Amino acid sequence: AQSVTQPDIHITVSEGASLELRCNYSYGATPYLFWYVQSPGQGLQLLLKYFSGDTLVQGIKGFEAEFKRSQSSFNLRKPSVHWSDAAEYFCAVGAHRNTGNQFYFGTGTSLTVIP
Amino acid sequence: EPEVTQTPSHQVTQMGQEVILRCVPISNHLYFYWYRQILGQKVEFLVSFYNNEISEKSEIFDDQFSVERPDGSNFTLKIRSTKLEDSAMYFCASSDGGFGTEAFFGQGTRLTVV
Repeated sequence: AQSVTQPDIHITVSEGASLELRCNYSYGATPYLFWYVQSPGQGLQLLLKYFSGDTLVQGIKGFEAEFKRSQSSFNLRKPSVHWSDAAEYFCAVGAHRNTGNQFYFGTGTSLTVIP
Repeated sequence: EPEVTQTPSHQVTQMGQEVILRCVPISNHLYFYWYRQILGQKVEFLVSFYNNEISEKSEIFDDQFSVERPDGSNFTLKIRSTKLEDSAMYFCASSDGGFGTEAFFGQGTRLTVV
C-alpha cells in the first residue's frame, strides 16, 4: 500500500537560513512524487514533482527536492528561506491506475519563519 | 492559467441538513477528486471520479456522501445529513490522468456544521 510520512510536524527557521523538509514514502513500484504548499486559507499549490530522470528536481519559488530511491525519500530543500515561505507543506505520492491517478498525502509540515 | 474553482468558499449549515459543494474542474481534465482536511490534520482522500462513475473511494466516503457531474463542467459533492464531524475544508481537484501528472486543486470550501 502507498503511504507518505512527514516526520516533522512543525519546523521553525530564521529568515535567510536553509531549509530541509523530510518526506519518506512507501510504494511498490516506481513512484511519482510531489510537494505541495498550502498558504493559510488557500488551496494546495504544486511546488515540484518527480516522475523520472534527474533525481534532483527544481520547482517554483526557489525550492528543489531530491529523490533517493535507496532511502525512499523525497526531501524538499531551499537554500535561503523568505518570510513568505511560511506555510504548510505536503508531500504526496502518485499511483497510476487504469481509472486515473491517485494521490496520497502526508500529514504535512508546518513551517514558521522568524525574522 | 486554467484553474479549479470551488463554490462557496465558506458554508455554515445546521446538523442534519444537506449540503452541496460545487466545483468546476479544469476544462480538458477527465479525472476528478474530492479531498477533505479537518482543521490541523492531513489532507484525506474521499473519492475519485472518471467517466461518469466513481473509480475509487475511501472509508470516509460512506452512504451519506455522493458525487455527481450534472453537466459538462460542474462536479459536485453532496452530504445528505451533515454531522458535526463533517466540519472541514473540502478540496476539489482534477487531473488529465497522464502518467506522472499532478492534481490541480481548488481553493477549497470551508464547511462548518453547527
